Amino acid sequence: NAGVTQTPKFRILKIGQSMTLQCTQDMNHNYMYWYRQDPGMGLKLIYYSVGAGITDKGEVPNGYNVSRSTTEDFPLRLELAAPSQTSVYFCASRNDQGKHTEAFFGQGTRLTVV
Amino acid sequence: AQSVAQPEDQVNVAEGNPLTVKCTYSVSGNPYLFWYVQYPNRGLQFLLKYITGDNLVKGSYGFEAEFNKSQTSFHLKKPSALVSDSALYFCAVSVNTGFQKLVFGTGTRLLVSP
Repeated sequence: NAGVTQTPKFRILKIGQSMTLQCTQDMNHNYMYWYRQDPGMGLKLIYYSVGAGITDKGEVPNGYNVSRSTTEDFPLRLELAAPSQTSVYFCASRNDQGKHTEAFFGQGTRLTVV
Repeated sequence: AQSVAQPEDQVNVAEGNPLTVKCTYSVSGNPYLFWYVQYPNRGLQFLLKYITGDNLVKGSYGFEAEFNKSQTSFHLKKPSALVSDSALYFCAVSVNTGFQKLVFGTGTRLLVSP
């Protein structure tokens, strides 16, 4: 029972480089989310998706892009990495059958931009 | 705006003593409240939630939370702390703004000493 799987776990990027953070879930959840976690700031929503082919911006979308071609996968793309994007990134999924269900989180990707 | 506040950055308690981690909320309409725990280098794990009904909610690992509407609080409690409870705890509120998302507090670090 894998749940939500994120890769890679750690990554160091140089300023201006690009990368994709992978996220996949095997629970057939329609709702998926990307959060970033900064010390003392809690979790901030970057992008979300309510189903395959449907994505929208969260609170802090600048510098990121997403796609959702399948129910399972929700990759997050950083095009031009900046030091401000140094953070821990979490992907989450949620069952939309019923209101206010709990979210399941991946183990996170720790990204450092130097 | 819907929000939750965790007034304590850190809570220290001795093993065997009761613990409380505080959370207050500000929502319009009915509050749907959650507690999550994050162990080092791991994703967030769901502990418990309040949707409706009994004000005392029981969750995983012996944790419980008390919903208090008049004080707009949802404090996390455990009768007897374990060293293994040491972790980062997040309170969250589920909001529905066309889609359901979780809005997180800034987190409280719980340190249980032997």
